[in-house]
Amino acid sequence: DVKVTQSSRYLVKRTGEKVFLECVQDMDHENMFWYRQDPGLGLRLIYFSYDVKMKEKGDIPEGYSVSREKKERFSLILESASTNQTSMYLCASSSLAGDRTDTQYFGPGTRLTVL
Amino acid sequence: AQSVTQLGSHVSVSEGALVLLRCNYSSSVPPYLFWYVQYPNQGLQLLLKYTTGATLVKGINGFEAEFKKSETSFHLTKPSAHMSDAAEYFCAVSEYGGSQGNLIFGKGTKLSVKP
Repeated sequence: DVKVTQSSRYLVKRTGEKVFLECVQDMDHENMFWYRQDPGLGLRLIYFSYDVKMKEKGDIPEGYSVSREKKERFSLILESASTNQTSMYLCASSSLAGDRTDTQYFGPGTRLTVL
Repeated sequence: AQSVTQLGSHVSVSEGALVLLRCNYSSSVPPYLFWYVQYPNQGLQLLLKYTTGATLVKGINGFEAEFKKSETSFHLTKPSAHMSDAAEYFCAVSEYGGSQGNLIFGKGTKLSVKP
């Protein structure tokens, strides 16, 4: 079974803090993704990576950065947390199937509260 | 560009009744289509997917979906709802071309099941 793990289920941080969210997958997947999920807005893609040290901006990258130093690990960084970054953060991974993605497998999510 | 529309942000059914969750997509190429389920405070779990071949796809927990190209639809059904089906359901289409890893998600439909 594919397993995607996230470092924390719940996190509380203060405005201005630097926040690291970690994600690890154990299936040797090429692609990894970070989404945020807010009520009524669905899932919005923040960043994704299709290889080690590669990254691509998603729909809402502002205020975030990412790091992928190893194939199995993809980190999301909030450089200076703000209250509008309070959200559920979901990590996912997938392999490629020809010219398009195969199934994305999701972690359990991190519910981040910024005070 | 691909897009997904889920009709109805909230659907309520009685236990034992038919579940029908609607999804329409737009894609200029043959799509890969997915349905995911999310239980409260958890990540997304794959219910079923369509890539090629048989247009009626069976998934986990008694759900199935039919790909109808002429209607650009991929509606999710279950003959008899169970209390444990209460969750949020997301339809997604694979992105083709430049961003090979991405899925485009609908905004989700929250299913309530009444006893």
